[in-house]
Amino acid sequence: GENVEQHPSTLSVQEGDSAVIKCTYSDSASNYFPWYKQELGKGPQLIIDIRSNVGEKKDQRIAVTLNKTAKHFSLHITETQPEDSAVYFCAASRGSGGYQKVTFGTGTKLQVIP
Amino acid sequence: NAGVTQTPKFQVLKTGQSMTLQCAQDMNHEYMSWYRQDPGMGLRLIHYSVGAGITDQGEVPNGYNVSRSTTEDFPLRLLSAAPSQTSVYFCASSPGGLAGGHRTGELFFGEGSRLTVL
Repeated sequence: GENVEQHPSTLSVQEGDSAVIKCTYSDSASNYFPWYKQELGKGPQLIIDIRSNVGEKKDQRIAVTLNKTAKHFSLHITETQPEDSAVYFCAASRGSGGYQKVTFGTGTKLQVIP
Repeated sequence: NAGVTQTPKFQVLKTGQSMTLQCAQDMNHEYMSWYRQDPGMGLRLIHYSVGAGITDQGEVPNGYNVSRSTTEDFPLRLLSAAPSQTSVYFCASSPGGLAGGHRTGELFFGEGSRLTVL
């Protein structure tokens, strides 16, 4: 089955600096790569996603890049703010028989220091 | 807009007790699933359903039962609780399912149910 590895497990940055979280996946059939943000005491919430036919996607201060050949994808947050502090999960997903099989990474706890 | 609603938010059980975690969604989503979240292990899929009357096992199904009698509800049953089932449980739904639509897409999560088994 799919295996998603995520690094680092914890990340501290100064406010205004950039943060980068990296993930690798094993199943070449995976075609959808979402990123979720989980705030304390809440459920994860989708913040950005990318499909396998796209190499990069941006949404204001966040961007995701995908390298299908190397089977890795990354989340970039620029100009970090204290409200970016949360746990971030990457995931790899593929459609199969009418449903999506989603495998999550182990999460990165991001701390933005004011 | 309620989205995905989970109850209870907190529960303490003794080893061997049984209980049901409730999950309801009001978005008419076909796909529903249960995950458990443990430190350092991310989110692991327990069971999922692609539509009413259809369920299947995920990565860690042992000790759990599910049923899907309606589109809205997807309860998770712990048959005989064990300390290893101490975890935070999340229910999630998505529009994708047997009827087609998005085969891969956003999961909408509930706020979680924290379960402690003594």
